[in-house]
Amino acid sequence: DGGITQSPKYLFRKEGQNVTLSCEQNLNHDAMYWYRQDPGQGLRLIYYSQIVNDFQKGDIAEGYSVSREKKESFPLTVTSAQKNPTAFYLCATRAGQGRRTSGRVDTGELFFGEGSRLTVL
Amino acid sequence: DAKTTQPPSMDCAEGRAANLPCNHSTISGNEYVYWYRQIHSQGPQYIIHGLKNNETNEMASLIITEDRKSSTLILPHATLRDTAVYYCIVRGVHGSSNTGKLIFGQGTTLQVKP
Repeated sequence: DGGITQSPKYLFRKEGQNVTLSCEQNLNHDAMYWYRQDPGQGLRLIYYSQIVNDFQKGDIAEGYSVSREKKESFPLTVTSAQKNPTAFYLCATRAGQGRRTSGRVDTGELFFGEGSRLTVL
Repeated sequence: DAKTTQPPSMDCAEGRAANLPCNHSTISGNEYVYWYRQIHSQGPQYIIHGLKNNETNEMASLIITEDRKSSTLILPHATLRDTAVYYCIVRGVHGSSNTGKLIFGQGTTLQVKP
């Protein structure tokens, strides 16, 4: 089935450790995004990538890193420099300019994965 | 991207219409209005979007005022499964200066009650 797969769903880590969250998609979408969500809050953009081998910082990129070596994959590394990493992390994709999504030319609809919940002990 | 303002919470009786308002007074001419919803601990789900005409799909209707400064998402017959946080977002389409980002605020928590 086409979709977005995030793994792991739940992750625990000790302070000072780096951890990488996986996001894989088989939708053939160009753009991919990472958001962070804290309890009772909206989503905040960490990093995004509009094309392979290119990515840009979002609003809260400090303490995070990403790579986009393949169209299908956009892993997020939460480094030890991230002061408060406990959160719900969401990966999303978008079809990209001019692509048709659900029969309509792309106008920005995002498709989200099920999320990864990271807890720092 | 234009900022949006939504009430933090609303209640609705099961089977009745849920009308969720959103103010976006600084919206510009090439910005769409999007609505997403998020059920607890899941990824947000796209509901509907529009530019200036009213839109309807199998999930909801979107009513945009003539001046485009506000909109209302209508769930015609709310069910308990519609209990979620609803986000109203505005952004430009591709080809403008936008980068595909959607900026999510805190949304409206809709509680559908039996």
